Amino acid sequence: KAGVTQTPRYLIKTRGQQVTLSCSPISGHRSVSWYQQTPGQGLQFLFEYFSETQRNKGNFPGRFSGRQFSNSRSEMNVSTLELGDSALYLCASSAGRDEQYFGPGTRLTVT
Amino acid sequence: GQQVMQIPQYQHVQEGEDFTTYCNSSTTLSNIQWYKQRPGGHPVFLIQLVKSGEVKKQKRLTFQFGEAKKNSSLHITATQTTDVGTYFCAEMNTGFQKLVFGTGTRLLVSP
Repeated sequence: KAGVTQTPRYLIKTRGQQVTLSCSPISGHRSVSWYQQTPGQGLQFLFEYFSETQRNKGNFPGRFSGRQFSNSRSEMNVSTLELGDSALYLCASSAGRDEQYFGPGTRLTVT
Repeated sequence: GQQVMQIPQYQHVQEGEDFTTYCNSSTTLSNIQWYKQRPGGHPVFLIQLVKSGEVKKQKRLTFQFGEAKKNSSLHITATQTTDVGTYFCAEMNTGFQKLVFGTGTRLLVSP
């Protein structure tokens, strides 16, 4: 099976802009979780989707949002970008058991 | 909120030396997972422990879950250069596929 894919892999944006990141889970996986990784805050949970429904959301401002489509693909959106949003954004898919499979991530740089 | 601390933050060893990272939680953990992230890579699942006092081995890696389920450790015997990376412990909220990650221990192995 193909692994989790994320696009784009790298992105440079300017403060105030918005960005959309995409994640395609492993075939058959219905749960997609998103994480933000920064040197200062480490790996932090953003939100999780299952069957197009957001089941849980981390402690992030409303500028961070996401959605999941009927084919389980997921997108996350960050509006009004701030310098502090520069990070590696990781998505992970799961078949509903405990192990999560991570994608390679999208490296976002905000200037 | 819940905090999962790992010590040490960083360790540099010579190839062949042993290595241990410790994971400590302020609250009782329902489970503990361990992930490895190679430089420039993404987290990869290693193992999950669920029972109090549980010990599991994977070749040169030994994982332990404390009796009180508030701490865990990962021990690598006779490190190799392929062990380089950051090791994270994490608790999985199985209801919502949410991982709460520890702060991570970065391991550098010199040949």
